[in-house]
Amino acid sequence: AQKITQTQPGMFVQEKEAVTLDCTYDTSDPSYGLFWYKQPSSGEMIFLIYQGSYDQQNATEGRYSLNFQKARKSANLVISASQLGDSAMYFCAMKTSYDKVIFGPGTSLSVIP
Amino acid sequence: KAGVTQTPRYLIKTRGQQVTLSCSPISGHRSVSWYQQTPGQGLQFLFEYFSETQRNKGNFPGRFSGRQFSNSRSEMNVSTLELGDSALYLCASSPSLGGDLYNEQFFGPGTRLTVL
Repeated sequence: AQKITQTQPGMFVQEKEAVTLDCTYDTSDPSYGLFWYKQPSSGEMIFLIYQGSYDQQNATEGRYSLNFQKARKSANLVISASQLGDSAMYFCAMKTSYDKVIFGPGTSLSVIP
Repeated sequence: KAGVTQTPRYLIKTRGQQVTLSCSPISGHRSVSWYQQTPGQGLQFLFEYFSETQRNKGNFPGRFSGRQFSNSRSEMNVSTLELGDSALYLCASSPSLGGDLYNEQFFGPGTRLTVL
């Protein structure tokens, strides 16, 4: 069975500091894609970053980077230089071949001024 | 391009009623997925449509149904509403389907359904 685990229900980070949000996944499919989404209090899900299982390098998108450790089945999101606007729920998600996207339970991030 | 739109944004119903939610995907996107989000269960996949065909289905009772039209717009219907159906229903569209692992989904703002 495929599963996404996010063990941090809530996190706090000081403004301008970096923060790592944990995500571990489980799948027997060798081909998969991993995604991170942000959900502000407004409710809309915003795509942040993608990592493919065969990608050799860790994905980066601006202040977001993904620490992909395939052997450990982890795909942690790193946000550098946190901003107040980063306060939101963050969801890790996975898609395998011809299967639906599954989401983790999410981590609530609060950025403290 | 216009984003994914969902109507209505808010809905209040009573137990036993039925409801229909609508989703218009981004122009050119042929895949539409629906999710239910609740504080207790998180984001749960309902179903996915591509070219008017249901391609994937989550573990929801038959009271939850959906369809997709030839213009890719999608509707989901919930019959005989229960209190536990109160949730944010999110629709997401994607330009690709199935074997594409890079399946970035673009989400709409959601419909918040309250069942009294």
